[in-house]
Amino acid sequence: DAGVIQSPRHEVTEMGQEVTLRCKPISGHNSLFWYRQTMMRGLELLIYFNNNVPIDDSGMPEDRFSAKMPNASFSTLKIQPSEPRDSAVYFCASSKLQGSQHFGDGTRLSIL
Amino acid sequence: KQEVTQIPAALSVPEGENLVLNCSFTDSAIYNLQWFRQDPGKGLTSLLLIQSSQREQTSGRLNASLDKSSGRSTLYIAASQPGDSATYLCAVGKETSGSRLTFGEGTQLTVNP
Repeated sequence: DAGVIQSPRHEVTEMGQEVTLRCKPISGHNSLFWYRQTMMRGLELLIYFNNNVPIDDSGMPEDRFSAKMPNASFSTLKIQPSEPRDSAVYFCASSKLQGSQHFGDGTRLSIL
Repeated sequence: KQEVTQIPAALSVPEGENLVLNCSFTDSAIYNLQWFRQDPGKGLTSLLLIQSSQREQTSGRLNASLDKSSGRSTLYIAASQPGDSATYLCAVGKETSGSRLTFGEGTQLTVNP
């Protein structure tokens, strides 16, 4: 079985640029999660979807962040405009409803 | 607001030793609790999921217990191996939602050959 697939694995871009992170969840999973991990703040939930519908976006830090899930097999997390403090590892995870969460390998984002 | 604490922050043991990792949480109204491991540069791998009605779960050399009323969970690793070296994270799922996880900061485990 393919796991959660994230792209790109690494992204380096300049401040002010738009960044789009992509995620393909495990087939058959109903829930999709976006997390951010930093040394200072650990692992934080940004937003999650059930059946493609955003359920809780209270972790999204600012209006510069947006997430979409147009269908059951694809989601994006967009940052526009990006800032240096957005540098982190961004993880996507998926699960069956209220089941154990399965994580992708993450996107390491560096904003210069 | 739920807070999750893991002790110790780091642990180094010789190969073959049995060990216990601890997790505590402040709000006992949880739906489930999950233990993960994270290898450097990788995502999290789910190890065990305990529902709030359960007391423990076992998988191979791993055993996780849950005492919801006291806000504690332990992860027991038997006969540790160098391949067990990783960061272990505990996460609690909020009641009624289950999906929203609050993570501890992890215990970094090193098993020395």
